[in-house]
Amino acid sequence: ETGVTQTPRHLVMGMTNKKSLKCEQHLGHNAMYWYKQSAKKPLELMFVYSLEERVENNSVPSRFSPECPNSSHLFLHLHTLQPEDSALYLCASSQDPGFGEKLFFGSGTQLSVL
Amino acid sequence: AQSVAQPEDQVNVAEGNPLTVKCTYSVSGNPYLFWYVQYPNRGLQFLLKYITGDNLVKGSYGFEAEFNKSQTSFHLKKPSALVSDSALYFCAVRGTGKLIFGQGTTLQVKP
Repeated sequence: ETGVTQTPRHLVMGMTNKKSLKCEQHLGHNAMYWYKQSAKKPLELMFVYSLEERVENNSVPSRFSPECPNSSHLFLHLHTLQPEDSALYLCASSQDPGFGEKLFFGSGTQLSVL
Repeated sequence: AQSVAQPEDQVNVAEGNPLTVKCTYSVSGNPYLFWYVQYPNRGLQFLLKYITGDNLVKGSYGFEAEFNKSQTSFHLKKPSALVSDSALYFCAVRGTGKLIFGQGTTLQVKP
């Protein structure tokens, strides 16, 4: 185990639903990340939090809303998603959001939007 | 602009043979280079990184990678492949901007 836990593992939702993805890290790290992984495409960085403050938002649509209540927990709130949002959503953490830091990933939430 | 390329979608090797998974990059400034592996139904796991120093970097599970500045490459290698090495491998690079990942290379090791 990597010390990063994501729930749920699988999620199926309709386009009008509201759901949330949860991530928890037990490593004492200060930085947390959301990535989107689609088949045959590079990982897309969505959001970066450092010490509970959002430090990076890579032009992600507003139907994705992150929340970081403390340095151990990260949420991704989903609302009125589109079928093209179906993907594996990965949470990661690192000691700090520095240049040489290695990332610790959770197993991901496989999201299907119908 | 930063970029990273993994030119092969899939690499096939026989167990016991050496393997190479290729990665080339383009960044501003000195590169920070990483390799990650993803097993089925799992997140990515860190294998190794190059920040500075010796061009040959050793990592987890017997993998190593060679930084070649003139060719802007950071190929992943292992002297003797195992069936259990079969997975999806990602190269990642960071220069002065954010960390970016390649599209991944599937390694298939056959008995």
